[in-house]
Amino acid sequence: AQSVTQLGSHVSVSEGALVLLRCNYSSSVPPYLFWYVQYPNQGLQLLLKYTSAATLVKGINGFEAEFKKSETSFHLTKPSAHMSDAAEYFCAVSDRGGYQKVTFGTGTKLQVIP
Amino acid sequence: DAMVIQNPRYQVTQFGKPVTLSCSQTLNHNVMYWYQQKSSQAPKLLFHYYDKDFNNEADTPDNFQSRRPNTSFCFLDIRSPGLGDTAMYLCATSGRIGVDGELFFGEGSRLTVL
Repeated sequence: AQSVTQLGSHVSVSEGALVLLRCNYSSSVPPYLFWYVQYPNQGLQLLLKYTSAATLVKGINGFEAEFKKSETSFHLTKPSAHMSDAAEYFCAVSDRGGYQKVTFGTGTKLQVIP
Repeated sequence: DAMVIQNPRYQVTQFGKPVTLSCSQTLNHNVMYWYQQKSSQAPKLLFHYYDKDFNNEADTPDNFQSRRPNTSFCFLDIRSPGLGDTAMYLCATSGRIGVDGELFFGEGSRLTVL
């Protein structure tokens, strides 16, 4: 069964510092991988997705993630944090083919300190 | 803009008093999902519709029902809400099974059971 593990339920960074949110996946076949962002009292919004084209995926708001098969990782990064990046981030995985049930990680709350 | 719209955004109900949450979409997507998200947790899939075909997750309580009268609308009915059903309920859509599994979320309906 597919799954994702997000290391760190809470991450704090200073404004302007590097953001690194970690995600490791487990899947029996090459997966599709996603990062979603959720602001308070809102739904989830797609930041970026990996579907087997380039391994370095660029998303919205300056975020990017790199698919590393050897490490089964899909970590999310942003070079310089903004106050507006404070939110909860979910990594998600779905298998290819057939019905792709999406499995979410437990989420990482990002705090940005002025 | 094409989107997923949920109503109401906030709902307070009494223990045992039925409640209905609605979701509409202008994306013309085949698949519609209902997720339950409790505080500081990942979204948990309750069920989904592929066109008119209903698919229930094995651990979804019988207290939760759903209707999809047409492509655009989907409803979540909670027949006898308990205190443990206090949560955010998220509606999502995807284009079709067999694509990459990207989900398009509504803003959510926050349900409080007193």
